[in-house]
Amino acid sequence: GENVEQHPSTLSVQEGDSAVIKCTYSDSASNYFPWYKQELGKGPQLIIDIRSNVGEKKDQRIAVTLNKTAKHFSLHITETQPEDSAVYFCAASFTGGGNKLTFGTGTQLKVEL
Amino acid sequence: EAQVTQNPRYLITVTGKKLTVTCSQNMNHEYMSWYRQDPGLGLRQIYYSMNVEVTDKGDVPEGYKVSRKEKRNFPLILESPSPNQTSLYFCASSPDTASDTGELFFGEGSRLTVL
Repeated sequence: GENVEQHPSTLSVQEGDSAVIKCTYSDSASNYFPWYKQELGKGPQLIIDIRSNVGEKKDQRIAVTLNKTAKHFSLHITETQPEDSAVYFCAASFTGGGNKLTFGTGTQLKVEL
Repeated sequence: EAQVTQNPRYLITVTGKKLTVTCSQNMNHEYMSWYRQDPGLGLRQIYYSMNVEVTDKGDVPEGYKVSRKEKRNFPLILESPSPNQTSLYFCASSPDTASDTGELFFGEGSRLTVL
């Protein structure tokens, strides 16, 4: 089955700096890569996703890049703000796989003032 | 408001005492799923359902049961809870099923402690 590794497990940045979280996956059939943000006491919420037919996707201050050859994808947050502090999960799945997402182990991002 | 509702949000119980965590969604989603979240392990899928009366095992189904008698409800049943089932549980739903991948909408979680 699919295995997703996520690094780092914790990340501390100064407000205004950029943050990068990296994930690798094992199953070459995977073609859908979402990122979820989990705020304290809440359930995860989708913030951005990418499919294997594109290499990069941006949405305001967040972007995701995908390298299918190397089987890794990354989340980039620019101009970080205190409200970006949360746990971020990457995930992978494939079309026709029953909507089965395999999640990474999560990254605790802390944005310090 | 579109949402996934779980109950109870917090529960402390003892080994062997059957319990049910309810999950209800008001978005008419076909797909529903249960995850458990443990430190250092991320989110792991317990069971999922692609439609009414259709359920299947996820990655960690041992010790759990589910049912899907109605589209909106997907309860998680622990027949004989054990301490290793102490965890944070999330129910999720999605409009997409086996034909595609799509956004999961999560409930706010149910923190279960088994003594």
